[in-house]
Amino acid sequence: SYVLTQPPSVSVAPGKTARITCEGNNIGTKNVHWYQQKPGQAPVLVIYYDSDRPSGIPERFSGSKSGNTATLTISRVEAGDEADYYCQVWDSSSDNPIFGGGTKLTVL
Amino acid sequence: EVQLVQSGAEVKKPGESLKISCKGSGYSFTTYWIGWVRQMPGKGLEWMGIIYPGDSDTRYSPSFQGQVTISADKSISTAYLQWSGLKASDTAMYYCARKHNCGGDCAFDIWGQGTLVAVSS
Repeated sequence: SYVLTQPPSVSVAPGKTARITCEGNNIGTKNVHWYQQKPGQAPVLVIYYDSDRPSGIPERFSGSKSGNTATLTISRVEAGDEADYYCQVWDSSSDNPIFGGGTKLTVL
Repeated sequence: EVQLVQSGAEVKKPGESLKISCKGSGYSFTTYWIGWVRQMPGKGLEWMGIIYPGDSDTRYSPSFQGQVTISADKSISTAYLQWSGLKASDTAMYYCARKHNCGGDCAFDIWGQGTLVAVSS
């Protein structure tokens, strides 16, 4: 089955840029979605279709793809951005959604 | 406001049955797929299955096929996740989520607040 690989953790100082990667075979052919989950809360969609932002999501959040890697970029990181982030695609062979293992973003 | 509201936390014993719910409001409930996602303590998101309330077309993850039943009652805009014999390993937070209408590999754009299920003897 299709596998998405994320780094377990990323650390960044406030005001800097955080980049969270999501690797998958031929991910360039798939639409990648990103979710933010703060402690004790439900996930929230922050990026869909690789780089689109839902209404209400700050412009500091952006998405991109290159080769077998999708990247969620958070500019001018704030303490409130500390959360777990998950990437997600649909596995075309099984028509099942697949989540990455999640990345814990720590704001130093 | 578009939202999904889930039923409250449950504490059960092994072997007991359980049905949790997810009520949609603020949109046409019958025209969006609703998925269920498990999150075990300290772990990531696992997709369990999905249902189209309009005709109750249901798909399951192979990992959960036969372990749970997903259903919906469109007359009250509510989707359900049920177990016939709970195990301690079913202890987790369960989320319902709406699949955005895009015709294909869409995102889950609206999430319920989660239902905590604790199974212990």
